[in-house]
Amino acid sequence: IAGITQAPTSQILAAGRRMTLRCTQDMRHNAMYWYRQDLGLGLRLIHYSNTAGTTGKGEVPDGYSVSRANTDDFPLTLASAVPSQTSVYFCASSDRVGQPQHFGDGTRLSIL
Amino acid sequence: GENVEQHPSTLSVQEGDSAVIKCTYSDSASNYFPWYKQELGKGPQLIIDIRSNVGEKKDQRIAVTLNKTAKHFSLHITETQPEDSAVYFCAASNTGFQKLVFGTGTRLLVSP
Repeated sequence: IAGITQAPTSQILAAGRRMTLRCTQDMRHNAMYWYRQDLGLGLRLIHYSNTAGTTGKGEVPDGYSVSRANTDDFPLTLASAVPSQTSVYFCASSDRVGQPQHFGDGTRLSIL
Repeated sequence: GENVEQHPSTLSVQEGDSAVIKCTYSDSASNYFPWYKQELGKGPQLIIDIRSNVGEKKDQRIAVTLNKTAKHFSLHITETQPEDSAVYFCAASNTGFQKLVFGTGTRLLVSP
């Protein structure tokens, strides 16, 4: 079934550790996005990529980095995790900018 | 930047009743308004969207209305069923950009 795969589904991490959240899509979508979801705050955009080889900052980019080496993969890295990064992280993709976004099932991340 | 407010935060209805969720936005340049349904442990799923050149759109029991002058849009669910129980998010964006700004969500509970 076509869609977005995120890994891991959940993770507990010690503060200060490095962590990479993986996201792969098989729809050949050009645009990909990372959001975090926190209770009472909805979903907030962390980083995005309009096409392979390009990335941009969203609403809450500090402490996160992304890369887009190819069309299918869009990993999100926390270089040195802090407790405030405890959240549920969602990856999304769209055929191109301005088209409907489709979401993965998320990674639940707890930073202790 | 864009700000989206969503009301109510929780909504309880009896099976068969209608449910209405309302959102307001601040940026008059916004022209794309999707609605997402999120079930427990899953990612948001696009259920309907509307663009600013249309005032209303229907898909079976779901409809969305848009009032550009007042800068608000609403989701209407008729003949609600228990499987409609979920968290619903509205969002807005200027399709010239990729940033979707989400509301804070409405938890809908449909009781049998």
